[in-house]
Amino acid sequence: EVRLVESGGGLVKPGGSLRLSCAASGFTFSDYGINWVRQAPGKGLEWVSFIGSSSRYIYYADSVRGRFTISRDNPKNSLFLQMSSLRAEDTAMYFCTRGAYWGPGTLVTVSS
Amino acid sequence: EIVMTQTPVSLSVTPGQPASISCKSSQSLLHSDGKTYLYWFLQNPGQSPQLLIYEVSNRFSGVPDRFSGSGSGTDFTLKISRVEAEDVGVYYCMQSLQPPLTFGGGTKVEIK
Repeated sequence: EVRLVESGGGLVKPGGSLRLSCAASGFTFSDYGINWVRQAPGKGLEWVSFIGSSSRYIYYADSVRGRFTISRDNPKNSLFLQMSSLRAEDTAMYFCTRGAYWGPGTLVTVSS
Repeated sequence: EIVMTQTPVSLSVTPGQPASISCKSSQSLLHSDGKTYLYWFLQNPGQSPQLLIYEVSNRFSGVPDRFSGSGSGTDFTLKISRVEAEDVGVYYCMQSLQPPLTFGGGTKVEIK
C-alpha cells in the first residue's frame, strides 16, 4: 500500500524557519517525482514545489522561490521541504503527493 | 502558467440526482504523447484530496462508476450520475501538462 506521511509542522514566528518531512512507503521511492502542495485555511489547493526522482529536476512556485528548498533522500525514502523567511501567508496545511497519492498533511502556522 | 477555471463554485444536489462540474483550461492540455493531463479530485471535509479521474476520463482504482469524466483540449466535465451522501466535499480539477501544477478554484458539493 502506498503511504505518504508528512511531519514537522507547527507554530513559527514570521521570519522563522521550519523543515517539513514526508516519509514514503509501499512503492519504489527513487522511481517517482514528488510534489508539495499546500492549502491555506478555508482556501483551495496551491502547488508549492516538485522534485524529480533523481533530484535533477526541481521547480518552485513563484510565491516560495528563494525561501523554500525541496530535497530528497532516496535511500531513506524521504522528502523534505526547508522553509525559511516564513510569512503569515505561508500558513497552510502542507501535503506531499505522488499524483494519485496524498499524505494527510502537516499544519504550518506562521504567527507572532 | 495554465489557469484552470471551474464552475459552478457550489452545488446543492438532492440524493439520487445527477451533478455536473465544468473545468476550463487557459490552453490545451493535450501533450505530444497523445495524453491529456487533466485530473479530478474530491476533498471530503477534513481529509486530503483523493483522486477520482485521471487523464480526463479514467476512473482511479476503487472509484465508483457513478463518477465519469469527459472533454478534450481545454474543456472538461466531471459528472456524477446519482449523487450520494458520501460525495459531499470540494471537487478540484488539476492540470499536470507543464509546471507549475495548477488547480481549479474548487466546486463545493452539498446534499439538499
